[in-house]
Amino acid sequence: KAGVTQTPRYLIKTRGQQVTLSCSPISGHRSVSWYQQTPGQGLQFLFEYFSETQRNKGNFPGRFSGRQFSNSRSEMNVSTLELGDSALYLCASSLLHNEQFFGPGTRLTVL
Amino acid sequence: QKEVEQNSGPLSVPEGAIASLNCTYSDRVSQSFFWYRQYSGKSPELIMSIYSNGDKEDGRFTAQLNKASQYVSLLIRDSQPSDSATYLCAVPLPNDYKLSFGAGTTVTVRA
Repeated sequence: KAGVTQTPRYLIKTRGQQVTLSCSPISGHRSVSWYQQTPGQGLQFLFEYFSETQRNKGNFPGRFSGRQFSNSRSEMNVSTLELGDSALYLCASSLLHNEQFFGPGTRLTVL
Repeated sequence: QKEVEQNSGPLSVPEGAIASLNCTYSDRVSQSFFWYRQYSGKSPELIMSIYSNGDKEDGRFTAQLNKASQYVSLLIRDSQPSDSATYLCAVPLPNDYKLSFGAGTTVTVRA
């Protein structure tokens, strides 16, 4: 069974731009979670989607948004990028008991 | 109090020794607990799930859970240089649809 896939793997943007990241969960998984990981802050929860509904959102500004499609694929968007948004963005999918499986991540660099 | 706390690292052990990692959590009703391994520059990989009090063994890894003490640990027996990584403890928050992660403990196995 294929794992979680994320595209793109690497991204370089400049301040003020916006970015869209994509995540395809493991087949059959309907829950998709997004995390931001930075050296100083560790893994920070962004949001969780299940059946196209956002069930929880972390403590991030409104510039961070996401959505989930009917095929469980998910996207997250960051608008008006800031230098501090440089991070590894991780997507994880889940079937049961919150046992989450992570994708390889998208490394975003904001210049 | 943080939701999930791990013993501070880094932890350095000689090859062949036992590495012991500890984690405490704040929510008494938590029912499932996970250990992830993350190599530098990679995404977290689920290596152990435990749901019941007691020990669970998988190869060289043993997870131990004590719900009364709100404590979960991971033992790595016969440590190998390939075990050098950061280990993350994760606990789902009931009805919150998110995993809460500890800050991680970095393990270095000396050859």
